[in-house]
Amino acid sequence: EVQVLESGGGLVQPGGSLRLSCAASGFTFSNYGMSWVRQAPGKGLEWVSSIGSTGVTTYYAGSVKGRFTISRDNSKNTLHLQMNSLRAEDTAIYYCAKLETGGSVNWGQGSLATVSS
Amino acid sequence: QPVLTQSSSASASPGSSVELTCTLGSGHSSNIIAWHQQQPGKAPRYLMKVENGGTFNKGSGVPDRFSGGSSGADRYLTISNLHFEDEADYYCETWDSNSRVFGGGTKVTVL
Repeated sequence: EVQVLESGGGLVQPGGSLRLSCAASGFTFSNYGMSWVRQAPGKGLEWVSSIGSTGVTTYYAGSVKGRFTISRDNSKNTLHLQMNSLRAEDTAIYYCAKLETGGSVNWGQGSLATVSS
Repeated sequence: QPVLTQSSSASASPGSSVELTCTLGSGHSSNIIAWHQQQPGKAPRYLMKVENGGTFNKGSGVPDRFSGGSSGADRYLTISNLHFEDEADYYCETWDSNSRVFGGGTKVTVL
């Protein structure tokens, strides 16, 4: 069974950093691109970042470019999102998702990041 | 970057059908889209992909009551024989070579 499980969320002050992780199982992780998608409280889904299967290609939404870094460790079946210079508007549940040709096919349960003083 | 437009809400009675529309912006009218369901307090769940021309492919375990369609820049999700558990937010998603985008979501209420 395909599973992705996020961790690493928490409370951080504005300007601080958080590192989210996503542990993948049930599929050959190194064959698939992965994404991070977030959802602010009471709002819709917002794409944050994607990474290709090898980790060479990365893409970011304009709202996080230069502050967030996506990476992956294919030897550990793990996806990461390093979030720096955090702002109140980054407060959200962060989901990781496995990408296929048909879209974001498998979603995790999410990890809540709260940016507040 | 692609743009997706969804109506904000829809409602229908149990046992009836509801059709949701996702409209692709200019320059991306032939894109594949994906539909996702998000029940209250839960993570999103992948329902299907819908291609230009109307072919749709559902994810694992998605009931037969869910189907997709397409006309021009519009992509559809139809839920037949509506159940109370279908009350949820429904999002469409598309992508290009270096970005992904979600529609604003449609809240479906089962009256």
